[in-house]
Amino acid sequence: GAGVSQSPRYKVAKRGQDVALRCDPISGHVSLFWYQQALGQGPEFLTYFQNEAQLDKSGLPSDRFFAERPEGSVSTLKIQRTQQEDSAVYLCASSLAGVNSYNSPLHFGNGTRLTVT
Amino acid sequence: DAKTTQPNSMESNEEEPVHLPCNHSTISGTDYIHWYRQLPSQGPEYVIHGLTSNVNNRMASLAIAEDRKSSTLILHRATLRDAAVYYCILRDRRGKLIFGQGTELSVKP
Repeated sequence: GAGVSQSPRYKVAKRGQDVALRCDPISGHVSLFWYQQALGQGPEFLTYFQNEAQLDKSGLPSDRFFAERPEGSVSTLKIQRTQQEDSAVYLCASSLAGVNSYNSPLHFGNGTRLTVT
Repeated sequence: DAKTTQPNSMESNEEEPVHLPCNHSTISGTDYIHWYRQLPSQGPEYVIHGLTSNVNNRMASLAIAEDRKSSTLILHRATLRDAAVYYCILRDRRGKLIFGQGTELSVKP
């Protein structure tokens, strides 16, 4: 069946450029999460949504990072004025239940690898 | 957020059982123990989760200590496709997963 889809798979940006990363969650999934994974590290939480509401953005590293999910389905993570330290894999995950149903597993996409030169 | 401690790496032989340990001494009564694994160039994949009792599914078994301060993920017969980084995670009422460094499992033919 269709899983979580992320695009593009790879993105190269010059320092200072803005980028937009897209996530298509599994249809009907209520919760959506974004993670950042540096090389050799575990994924780090960025933000999550329950439907269109952004309930937690405590992991966003700076105000250059912005995420939205306007219709409660597709989500976009935007990074403005990219810096070299933003180079990482950005993972999206969705979950069928609301975020407080901590019994519900997350389904991850394969990520977008961002390289800032 | 409650933390977990796992060995950095483990080795196994193909078709033998693998026991992946995890310590979580600061676990609270409502934290669920989740295991995910990540194959190279892929996103993490859910493996199993539990609260107090041991759990089995088609992928693995989860053995939880009586005091819940530790748990063990058991792969009954390792295959080459099981080579991955395995993450033990405590998931609380806020629902988000906080990943640690995980255990890199290598499987020798």
